Amino acid sequence: DIVMTQTPLSSPVTLGQPASISCRSSQSLVHSDGNTYLSWLQQRPGQPPRLLIYRISNRFSGVPDRFSGSGAGTDFTLKISRVEAEDVGVYYCMQGTLFPLITFGQGTRLEIK
Amino acid sequence: QVQLVESGGGVVQPEMSLRLSCAASGFAFSSYGMHWVRQAPGKGLEWVAVIWYDGSNKYYADSVKGRFTISRDNSKNTLYLQMNSLRAEDTAMYYCVRGSTTEIDYWGQGTPVTVSS
Repeated sequence: DIVMTQTPLSSPVTLGQPASISCRSSQSLVHSDGNTYLSWLQQRPGQPPRLLIYRISNRFSGVPDRFSGSGAGTDFTLKISRVEAEDVGVYYCMQGTLFPLITFGQGTRLEIK
Repeated sequence: QVQLVESGGGVVQPEMSLRLSCAASGFAFSSYGMHWVRQAPGKGLEWVAVIWYDGSNKYYADSVKGRFTISRDNSKNTLYLQMNSLRAEDTAMYYCVRGSTTEIDYWGQGTPVTVSS
């Protein structure tokens, strides 16, 4: 099984400042079709998760452009250019390359300083 | 817009059964694979099961294999999860999630399941 490791587990950030979350997989997430199925999810307090980014760097419908994703192979990053109050929550990376065995990272809690 | 509404959760005793349902609307349900993902209280996300768009293939996490059964009724735009031999460690919020072959996108609000004597 692929293991997804996120760092940090908790990230206190000042409003208006950038934030960055890393996700490392135990093996390459490059699929045999050439795509890399690495997604980022956001879960606000008391809410279900929602998709932010898919295939490393593609923003999902309605996601603000302050969210961006990057990386390749086994190392990936989610960046928020300027943190807003509504960004508080837990962020998960997720791999679908080994579909149907989907795996999530353990989550990173973003909080305001 | 895509809507996924779960129901059927509740409090059950160990070794009992429960069936969850997920009513889908706002998209061509019969064209999409569907997943169940769960989240234990205060914990992270755990993928549970997936079913192909036509029901032809089903896969399960090792933790539920042999106890849970995923199914769907495309005529009713509804996804199901039959949970048998429930254990305390199955206590979680259960989410219905729309998924293509390698990605998942829309999530329902979830239905809570508590297994306790």
